[in-house]
Amino acid sequence: EVQLLESGGGLVQPGGSLRLSCAVSGFIFDNYAMSWVRQAPGKGLEWVSGKSGSDGTTYYADSVKGRFTISRDNSKNMLYLQMNSLRAEDTAVYYCAKDRYLVVTAIYDYWGQGTLVTVSS
Amino acid sequence: EIVLTQSPATLSLSPGERATLSCRASQSVNNYLAWYQQKPGQAPRLLIYNASNRATGIPARFSGSGSGTDFTLTISSLEPEDFAVYYCLQRSNWPPWTFGQGTKVEIK
Repeated sequence: EVQLLESGGGLVQPGGSLRLSCAVSGFIFDNYAMSWVRQAPGKGLEWVSGKSGSDGTTYYADSVKGRFTISRDNSKNMLYLQMNSLRAEDTAVYYCAKDRYLVVTAIYDYWGQGTLVTVSS
Repeated sequence: EIVLTQSPATLSLSPGERATLSCRASQSVNNYLAWYQQKPGQAPRLLIYNASNRATGIPARFSGSGSGTDFTLTISSLEPEDFAVYYCLQRSNWPPWTFGQGTKVEIK
């Protein structure tokens, strides 16, 4: 059974940092791209970042480029999102999502349950 | 960046009725469009990819069509569990991969 479990969310002050983690199981992690997608309270979905399962090519939305870093540890079946210089507009539920393919295609066949990040003073 | 516009914002229907949801792209995305369903408090679920391919385990009452800039998600006969928010996503021109703003299908 495929499982994705996010953790690391919480309350952080503007300008602060947070690292999200996503523990996966039930599939060969190296063989699939992974992404982070977020959803601000009461709003729609926003793609944030993706990383391929092979050469590790990374992609970022302009809204987070230079502040967020996606990484993965294939030996531990873990996906991460390091978030720095956080802003109020980063407040959202963050989902990790498994791609159907080795490269990022945004065809996400499995999702985690999400972790809430709140940026507020 | 490709902008996806979904209509209507809200669709009020009764169980058993047919639902027709629209997604229009600001430029051609060929057939690189997916549909996701999201219920309150839950993660999204993949319904359709490449405009018309049903994902694993998705009932046949869900169908997708279209190409270029105009796409449609049709639910042939609404079941109680189908009342949710539906998002389209384009994967033609990236990054970023972009979502539409969503269509809420609510019980009339």
